[in-house]
Amino acid sequence: DIVMTQSPDSLAVSLGERATFNCKSSQSVFASSNNKNYLAWYQQKPGQPPKLLIYWASTRESGVPDRFSGSGSGTDFTLTISTLQAEDVAVYYCQQYYNTPPTFGQGTKVEIK
Amino acid sequence: QVQLQESGPGLVKPSETLSLTCIVSGGSISSYYWSWIRQPPGKGLEWIGYIFSSGSTNYNPSLKSRVTMSVDTSKNQFSLKLRSVAAADTAVYYCARHAPYTSGWYDPFDYWGQGTLVTVSS
Repeated sequence: DIVMTQSPDSLAVSLGERATFNCKSSQSVFASSNNKNYLAWYQQKPGQPPKLLIYWASTRESGVPDRFSGSGSGTDFTLTISTLQAEDVAVYYCQQYYNTPPTFGQGTKVEIK
Repeated sequence: QVQLQESGPGLVKPSETLSLTCIVSGGSISSYYWSWIRQPPGKGLEWIGYIFSSGSTNYNPSLKSRVTMSVDTSKNQFSLKLRSVAAADTAVYYCARHAPYTSGWYDPFDYWGQGTLVTVSS
């Protein structure tokens, strides 16, 4: 199985400030056949299912605010929230869908400082 | 707008079988891959397996010996059975759709049900 490791486990950021957190895969999730990284980011608020934010490592899902951006390739990926809003308090998960079984990171909890 | 709704017993006794159904509304179940994913209380996400609308399946090796998935396209629903459950199977169980970005299962999950908590206890 591909192991996904996120860092940090939790992060406290002031409103309006930038939040950046990372995801590392135990093997590359980049496919040279189509030049895509099989990496997604999800946001999960308490009592709710995860919500897809980013796929192909950097493509925003329809309706996701542009303050969310994804970057990285191969084994190292980053999710950035450019200006943190109160509604962004949540746990964020990365997920690889390059190999079966698809696997998730342990999550990064984002709070307001 | 596609909606998914899980249903099934919220309490299952140890060693018995957990059975859940996911009803899909607002869209067809056909030509999509559908997964079950679970989340123990306060913990992370674990993929259980997927089923294609044709009935082909792929299960997580960690659960493969205990899992069966099925699909009923006439009712626009798919189901999960997990046998010989134990306390470690207590979790919120989600059904989810694989996004249609590739021709296979290699896609993120774009629609999720609200989840249903299943507790394993005598």
